[in-house]
Amino acid sequence: AQSVTQLGSHVSVSEGALVLLRCNYSSSVPPYLFWYVQYPNQGLQLLLKYTSAATLVKGINGFEAEFKKSETSFHLTKPSAHMSDAAEYFCAVRAYNFNKFYFGSGTKLNVKP
Amino acid sequence: DGGITQSPKYLFRKEGQNVTLSCEQNLNHDAMYWYRQDPGQGLRLIYYSQIVNDFQKGDIAEGYSVSREKKESFPLTVTSAQKNPTAFYLCASSTGQNQETQYFGPGTRLLVL
Repeated sequence: AQSVTQLGSHVSVSEGALVLLRCNYSSSVPPYLFWYVQYPNQGLQLLLKYTSAATLVKGINGFEAEFKKSETSFHLTKPSAHMSDAAEYFCAVRAYNFNKFYFGSGTKLNVKP
Repeated sequence: DGGITQSPKYLFRKEGQNVTLSCEQNLNHDAMYWYRQDPGQGLRLIYYSQIVNDFQKGDIAEGYSVSREKKESFPLTVTSAQKNPTAFYLCASSTGQNQETQYFGPGTRLLVL
């Protein structure tokens, strides 16, 4: 079975501060992992994905995530937050050979000026 | 431009009425998905289809129906049996291959009159 847990439904940071959004997964087979961003009343946009090529994955808008198998984690980070980063972020997992994606409950990021 | 379109952007349903949400993609993707999004609950899978004329129930299929008569189209009907239909509905597609990402449409917000 696959599942995703995102710790913290709301995260607030100051502009210029480090962004850290947490994601832990469970998967009985090697997983593919994704981070998506959603702005209000819009669809989801892919930030980055892990497909076993490299454990540190770089995405768009300066975001990156590191796959840690021992910790079953795939946390999303950005060194310096920008006001435009304020949005909701979703972590998702898809197991090898399964055509279903499982999403976390989301983390809303607030960026303070 | 390739992408996924959903219509309408807002939809109002009267008591006892069936309504249909449209989803069209021109990405030549085999797999298509419908998700329901409620605040604080992330995305929950309603139905998915891996190929034309075939579809499977997701985690919350009760009160919903779908069809997949064409590769590019995957309409979702919210029936009168769905007692709490107010939500944001997202359609997505992917090639169906293991490493491939899901791409999302802009969503339809369904409200009950």
